Amino acid sequence: DAMVIQNPRYQVTQFGKPVTLSCSQTLNHNVMYWYQQKSSQAPKLLFHYYDKDFNNEADTPDNFQSRRPNTSFCFLDIRSPGLGDAAMYLCATSRDLAQWSYNEQFFGPGTRLTVL
Amino acid sequence: AQKITQTQPGMFVQEKEAVTLDCTYDTSDPSYGLFWYKQPSSGEMIFLIYQGSYDQQNATEGRYSLNFQKARKSANLVISASQLGDSAMYFCAMRLNSGGYQKVTFGTGTKLQVIP
Repeated sequence: DAMVIQNPRYQVTQFGKPVTLSCSQTLNHNVMYWYQQKSSQAPKLLFHYYDKDFNNEADTPDNFQSRRPNTSFCFLDIRSPGLGDAAMYLCATSRDLAQWSYNEQFFGPGTRLTVL
Repeated sequence: AQKITQTQPGMFVQEKEAVTLDCTYDTSDPSYGLFWYKQPSSGEMIFLIYQGSYDQQNATEGRYSLNFQKARKSANLVISASQLGDSAMYFCAMRLNSGGYQKVTFGTGTKLQVIP
C-alpha cells in the first residue's frame, strides 16, 4: 500500500544533542511537510518542500533544518534540542500545490520526541 | 488574519447516535478548502472529508458529512451512527493560498469520546 512512513516512532535524545527524524513516502507526491504538534495543541507547520524547493515558515526556529535528498525521503534535523522541542513530529505529503486541486495531505504516524 | 476555530474542547456521544463537531473559519480569500482530520491516540492524522469554497453541495463520505454554511463561515462535521472507534481528536483545517503557495492551518481540535 502506498503510504507515508516515519522512523523511529519514538525518539529520546538529550538536551543539546542533535537528532534526525526521517520520513519516506511511496506516493510519489511532489510536496512533503513537517509539522510540530505539542500535547493537546494543533499541528504547527515548520516547513515544506515542493520538489526541491524549500519553504520555511517565518516563525520556525533556526534550530530546525530539513533535507530532501530525493522525492521519497525527507529529514528533520534538530541541531540542539531543548526541553521545549519535545513534541510529536508529523510528516505529510500532498500531490502538488496547484491552487485548484483537491490537494489532500496524507500524514505519517508521527515520531514522538522526548528530550531529557 | 485567517484563522480557524473549534470551540468544543471535548464532546461525549452515545454509541449509535449522531454528533456534530463545530468549526468556524475566518478568511477574506474567496478560494479556500476545508478539511477534517481524525487523530486517534496513536498519533496518525487520518483524512476524513474535504469541502472546497466553490463546491455547491455539502461533502459526504460514508458516515461523515460536512455542514457547510458559507455565509456563516462554518464547516461543521456530522458523524452519524457513532462507533466506539470514532473516539479520537478531530481537527478542522483550512487551506489558503499564502505567499504563492498553499498553507494548511489547523484548529485546536475537539476530543470526541463515544460512550457504549
